[in-house]
Amino acid sequence: RKEVEQDPGPFNVPEGATVAFNCTYSNSASQSFFWYRQDCRKEPKLLMSVYSSGNEDGRFTAQLNRASQYISLLIRDSKLSDSATYLCVVTHGGATNKLIFGTGTLLAVQP
Amino acid sequence: DTEVTQTPKHLVMGMTNKKSLKCEQHMGHRAMYWYKQKAKKPPELMFVYSYEKLSINESVPSRFSPECPNSSLLNLHLHALQPEDSALYLCASSQYPGPMNTEAFFGQGTRLTVV
Repeated sequence: RKEVEQDPGPFNVPEGATVAFNCTYSNSASQSFFWYRQDCRKEPKLLMSVYSSGNEDGRFTAQLNRASQYISLLIRDSKLSDSATYLCVVTHGGATNKLIFGTGTLLAVQP
Repeated sequence: DTEVTQTPKHLVMGMTNKKSLKCEQHMGHRAMYWYKQKAKKPPELMFVYSYEKLSINESVPSRFSPECPNSSLLNLHLHALQPEDSALYLCASSQYPGPMNTEAFFGQGTRLTVV
């Protein structure tokens, strides 16, 4: 079983749709959680950090459920420019954290 | 400025060559990372430097040799690579190495082809 798992997709949605991504992690000692997006042949870029209280940034909302070891990302009113791979990232470790990437979910927003 | 700069952007090397990848950040970050990414796969951690010392080596073959000359620079020395080592090599940095890690910022990567 992979340490961080995501549905690989692809998710094909029309513009304006709401889409939700899920991520599960296996290490209960995980400490920090992030969503990154990666465009084709580009580097991963931080989308947002994820907190237990939930956080929102414009059309994007992230949630963390530590008890279920589950992270989610909701994108409202999808834009064509949202098309990318969304990567769930989890960190754990002692003095030095490892950033462990999920398998990524491909989103294709259609006109 | 949240910039991590990697050079070169593209590299083609033969299996007998020696080359180096370079990474630089001027954000005062004390943790730096090397990742390897194959097509359609997520980045895989290779090495972590914490306060300029190697703290994590994810069982990477010795043909990959990391070096951290100072707090702003990270190198990856390559020698006797195999064609299957062809990939995008990503450098990243974060403010602190842990235990509560801050977000990591990635360079644009070096696209390496081994022939």
